[in-house]
Amino acid sequence: EVQLLDSGGGLVQPGGSLRLSCTASGFTFSAYAMAWVRQAPGKGLECVSVISASSASIYYADSVKGRFTISRDNSKNTLLLQVNSLRAEDTAIYYCAKSYSSTSIGGLDYWGQGTLVTVSS
Amino acid sequence: DVVMTQSPLSLPVTLGQPASISCRSSQSLVYTNGNTYLSWFHQRPGQSPRRLIYKVSDRDSGVPDRFSGSGSGTDFTLKISRVEAEDIGVYYCMQGTHWPYTFGQGTKLEIK
Repeated sequence: EVQLLDSGGGLVQPGGSLRLSCTASGFTFSAYAMAWVRQAPGKGLECVSVISASSASIYYADSVKGRFTISRDNSKNTLLLQVNSLRAEDTAIYYCAKSYSSTSIGGLDYWGQGTLVTVSS
Repeated sequence: DVVMTQSPLSLPVTLGQPASISCRSSQSLVYTNGNTYLSWFHQRPGQSPRRLIYKVSDRDSGVPDRFSGSGSGTDFTLKISRVEAEDIGVYYCMQGTHWPYTFGQGTKLEIK
Protein backbone atom coordinates (compact mmCIF):
# COMPACT_ATOMS: atom_id res chain seq x y z
CA GLU A 1 0.00 0.00 0.00
CA VAL A 2 1.36 3.40 -1.00
CA GLN A 3 1.83 5.69 2.00
CA LEU A 4 3.09 9.26 2.08
CA LEU A 5 3.64 10.84 5.49
CA ASP A 6 3.99 14.63 5.48
CA SER A 7 5.55 16.54 8.36
CA GLY A 8 7.38 19.73 9.27
CA GLY A 9 4.61 22.32 9.14
CA GLY A 10 3.94 24.87 11.83
CA LEU A 11 3.48 28.52 12.73
CA VAL A 12 6.20 30.80 11.43
CA GLN A 13 6.62 34.55 11.21
CA PRO A 14 6.75 36.37 7.87
CA GLY A 15 10.23 36.04 6.44
CA GLY A 16 10.84 32.81 8.31
CA SER A 17 11.74 29.33 7.09
CA LEU A 18 10.60 25.75 7.47
CA ARG A 19 11.65 22.38 6.08
CA LEU A 20 8.82 20.11 5.04
CA SER A 21 9.40 16.39 4.79
CA CYS A 22 7.58 13.47 3.19
CA THR A 23 8.42 9.86 3.99
CA ALA A 24 7.29 7.36 1.39
CA SER A 25 6.60 3.64 1.59
CA GLY A 26 4.82 0.93 -0.34
CA PHE A 27 6.41 1.65 -3.73
CA THR A 28 9.82 2.04 -5.37
CA PHE A 29 10.41 5.67 -4.43
CA SER A 30 13.44 6.10 -6.69
CA ALA A 31 11.37 5.25 -9.79
CA TYR A 32 8.84 8.07 -9.58
CA ALA A 33 8.78 11.83 -9.80
CA MET A 34 7.34 13.58 -6.75
CA ALA A 35 5.62 16.89 -6.17
CA TRP A 36 4.41 19.34 -3.53
CA VAL A 37 0.89 20.72 -3.86
CA ARG A 38 -0.58 23.32 -1.56
CA GLN A 39 -4.09 24.35 -0.63
CA ALA A 40 -4.79 27.66 1.08
CA PRO A 41 -7.64 27.56 3.65
CA GLY A 42 -10.92 27.11 1.83
CA LYS A 43 -9.24 27.45 -1.57
CA GLY A 44 -8.20 25.31 -4.51
CA LEU A 45 -5.05 23.37 -5.33
CA GLU A 46 -1.70 24.73 -6.55
CA CYS A 47 1.26 22.57 -7.54
CA VAL A 48 4.34 24.44 -6.35
CA SER A 49 7.18 22.10 -7.33
CA VAL A 50 7.99 18.79 -8.97
CA ILE A 51 11.22 16.75 -9.03
CA SER A 52 11.96 13.89 -11.39
CA ALA A 53 12.93 10.44 -10.12
CA SER A 54 16.65 11.07 -10.55
CA SER A 55 16.49 14.74 -9.46
CA ALA A 56 17.71 15.69 -12.94
CA SER A 57 14.63 17.83 -13.62
CA ILE A 58 13.15 20.27 -11.13
CA TYR A 59 10.37 22.78 -11.70
CA TYR A 60 8.83 25.50 -9.56
CA ALA A 61 5.69 27.57 -9.83
CA ASP A 62 6.44 31.26 -10.38
CA SER A 63 4.83 32.07 -7.02
CA VAL A 64 7.60 30.25 -5.11
CA LYS A 65 10.59 30.41 -7.46
CA GLY A 66 13.71 31.59 -5.66
CA ARG A 67 12.20 30.96 -2.21
CA PHE A 68 11.40 27.23 -2.18
CA THR A 69 13.81 24.35 -2.86
CA ILE A 70 12.69 20.80 -3.53
CA SER A 71 15.01 17.84 -3.06
CA ARG A 72 14.85 14.10 -2.49
CA ASP A 73 16.95 11.37 -0.89
CA ASN A 74 16.21 8.13 -2.70
CA SER A 75 18.26 6.13 -0.18
CA LYS A 76 15.89 7.27 2.58
CA ASN A 77 12.64 7.38 0.56
CA THR A 78 12.29 11.02 1.55
CA LEU A 79 11.07 14.13 -0.27
CA LEU A 80 11.92 17.57 1.12
CA LEU A 81 10.74 21.13 0.57
CA GLN A 82 12.81 23.94 2.04
CA VAL A 83 10.56 27.00 2.27
CA ASN A 84 12.25 30.36 2.88
CA SER A 85 11.18 34.01 2.96
CA LEU A 86 7.67 32.96 3.86
CA ARG A 87 4.76 35.30 3.22
CA ALA A 88 1.21 35.35 4.55
CA GLU A 89 -0.01 34.06 1.17
CA ASP A 90 2.08 30.91 1.64
CA THR A 91 -0.28 29.83 4.43
CA ALA A 92 -1.70 26.51 3.29
CA ILE A 93 -1.81 22.79 3.74
CA TYR A 94 1.15 21.34 1.87
CA TYR A 95 0.67 17.89 0.36
CA CYS A 96 3.36 15.58 -0.88
CA ALA A 97 2.16 13.72 -3.98
CA LYS A 98 3.51 10.89 -6.09
CA SER A 99 3.69 11.10 -9.86
CA TYR A 100 2.76 8.11 -11.96
CA SER A 101 5.86 8.51 -14.09
CA SER A 102 9.56 9.06 -13.55
CA THR A 103 9.45 12.47 -15.23
CA SER A 104 7.56 15.70 -14.60
CA ILE A 105 5.01 14.83 -17.29
CA GLY A 106 1.87 12.88 -16.51
CA GLY A 107 0.32 13.93 -13.26
CA LEU A 108 -0.19 12.76 -9.73
CA ASP A 109 -1.80 9.70 -8.20
CA TYR A 110 -1.26 9.27 -4.44
CA TRP A 111 -1.23 12.13 -1.91
CA GLY A 112 -0.04 12.48 1.68
CA GLN A 113 -2.27 13.68 4.48
CA GLY A 114 -0.79 17.17 4.33
CA THR A 115 1.06 19.42 6.77
CA LEU A 116 -0.20 22.89 7.69
CA VAL A 117 2.04 25.90 7.29
CA THR A 118 0.76 29.09 8.91
CA VAL A 119 2.62 32.34 8.28
CA SER A 120 1.61 34.99 10.78
CA SER A 121 3.13 37.46 13.19
CA ASP B 1 0.18 28.61 -17.55
CA VAL B 2 -2.66 26.39 -18.76
CA VAL B 3 -5.94 27.63 -17.31
CA MET B 4 -8.42 24.94 -16.33
CA THR B 5 -12.04 26.11 -16.16
CA GLN B 6 -14.65 23.93 -14.47
CA SER B 7 -18.42 24.26 -14.56
CA PRO B 8 -20.59 24.33 -12.67
CA LEU B 9 -18.83 25.41 -9.47
CA SER B 10 -21.78 24.23 -7.37
CA LEU B 11 -23.75 21.09 -8.17
CA PRO B 12 -26.80 20.16 -6.08
CA VAL B 13 -27.95 16.66 -6.99
CA THR B 14 -30.71 14.34 -5.82
CA LEU B 15 -29.55 10.91 -4.63
CA GLY B 16 -29.73 8.38 -7.43
CA GLN B 17 -29.68 11.01 -10.14
CA PRO B 18 -26.82 11.59 -12.61
CA ALA B 19 -24.29 14.41 -12.39
CA SER B 20 -21.88 15.91 -14.88
CA ILE B 21 -18.92 18.27 -14.51
CA SER B 22 -17.22 20.04 -17.38
CA CYS B 23 -13.53 20.98 -17.52
CA ARG B 24 -11.97 23.06 -20.29
CA SER B 25 -8.30 23.82 -20.77
CA SER B 26 -6.86 26.96 -22.37
CA GLN B 27 -4.66 24.84 -24.64
CA SER B 28 -4.54 21.28 -25.89
CA LEU B 29 -3.58 18.65 -23.32
CA VAL B 30 -2.31 16.18 -25.91
CA TYR B 31 1.36 15.45 -25.20
CA THR B 32 3.95 14.66 -27.88
CA ASN B 33 3.61 10.94 -27.11
CA GLY B 34 -0.10 11.06 -27.98
CA ASN B 35 -1.30 10.75 -24.39
CA THR B 36 -3.65 13.28 -22.82
CA TYR B 37 -2.82 13.84 -19.16
CA LEU B 38 -6.13 14.95 -17.71
CA SER B 39 -7.11 13.61 -14.29
CA TRP B 40 -10.08 13.99 -11.97
CA PHE B 41 -9.81 14.11 -8.16
CA HIS B 42 -12.38 13.97 -5.38
CA GLN B 43 -11.76 15.69 -2.06
CA ARG B 44 -13.97 15.16 0.97
CA PRO B 45 -13.93 17.77 3.77
CA GLY B 46 -10.78 17.42 5.87
CA GLN B 47 -9.23 14.82 3.57
CA SER B 48 -6.57 14.72 0.89
CA PRO B 49 -7.64 14.57 -2.74
CA ARG B 50 -8.17 11.08 -4.14
CA ARG B 51 -7.68 10.41 -7.83
CA LEU B 52 -10.65 8.90 -9.65
CA ILE B 53 -9.74 9.13 -13.34
CA TYR B 54 -6.45 9.53 -15.22
CA LYS B 55 -5.58 10.00 -18.89
CA VAL B 56 -9.10 11.29 -19.52
CA SER B 57 -11.01 8.05 -19.06
CA ASP B 58 -8.98 5.43 -17.15
CA ARG B 59 -10.61 4.66 -13.82
CA ASP B 60 -8.39 4.12 -10.78
CA SER B 61 -8.51 0.82 -8.92
CA GLY B 62 -11.37 0.72 -6.42
CA VAL B 63 -13.28 3.59 -8.04
CA PRO B 64 -16.93 2.63 -8.63
CA ASP B 65 -17.93 2.21 -12.25
CA ARG B 66 -20.62 4.87 -11.85
CA PHE B 67 -17.74 7.33 -12.40
CA SER B 68 -16.64 7.88 -15.99
CA GLY B 69 -14.43 10.37 -17.80
CA SER B 70 -14.51 11.47 -21.40
CA GLY B 71 -13.29 14.17 -23.75
CA SER B 72 -10.36 15.16 -25.89
CA GLY B 73 -8.09 18.07 -26.72
CA THR B 74 -9.41 20.87 -24.52
CA ASP B 75 -12.87 19.69 -23.45
CA PHE B 76 -13.42 17.05 -20.79
CA THR B 77 -16.28 15.72 -18.69
CA LEU B 78 -16.67 13.71 -15.51
CA LYS B 79 -19.97 11.89 -15.16
CA ILE B 80 -21.52 10.14 -12.20
CA SER B 81 -24.31 7.87 -13.37
CA ARG B 82 -26.16 7.69 -10.04
CA VAL B 83 -25.05 9.95 -7.20
CA GLU B 84 -24.62 8.35 -3.79
CA ALA B 85 -24.25 10.07 -0.41
CA GLU B 86 -20.50 9.28 -0.26
CA ASP B 87 -19.94 11.29 -3.45
CA ILE B 88 -20.31 14.66 -1.71
CA GLY B 89 -17.27 16.91 -1.70
CA VAL B 90 -15.26 18.88 -4.22
CA TYR B 91 -14.18 17.56 -7.62
CA TYR B 92 -11.09 18.92 -9.37
CA CYS B 93 -9.74 18.35 -12.85
CA MET B 94 -5.96 18.56 -13.27
CA GLN B 95 -3.68 18.69 -16.29
CA GLY B 96 -0.25 17.03 -16.17
CA THR B 97 0.78 17.70 -19.77
CA HIS B 98 2.35 21.13 -19.27
CA TRP B 99 4.38 22.49 -16.36
CA PRO B 100 3.15 23.84 -14.03
CA TYR B 101 0.43 21.28 -13.43
CA THR B 102 -2.79 23.22 -13.01
CA PHE B 103 -6.15 22.46 -11.47
CA GLY B 104 -9.67 23.60 -12.09
CA GLN B 105 -11.33 25.78 -9.46
CA GLY B 106 -13.27 22.82 -8.07
CA THR B 107 -16.91 21.80 -8.26
CA LYS B 108 -18.73 21.32 -4.98
CA LEU B 109 -21.23 18.48 -5.16
CA GLU B 110 -23.96 18.48 -2.55
CA ILE B 111 -27.09 16.46 -2.01
CA LYS B 112 -30.39 18.27 -2.50
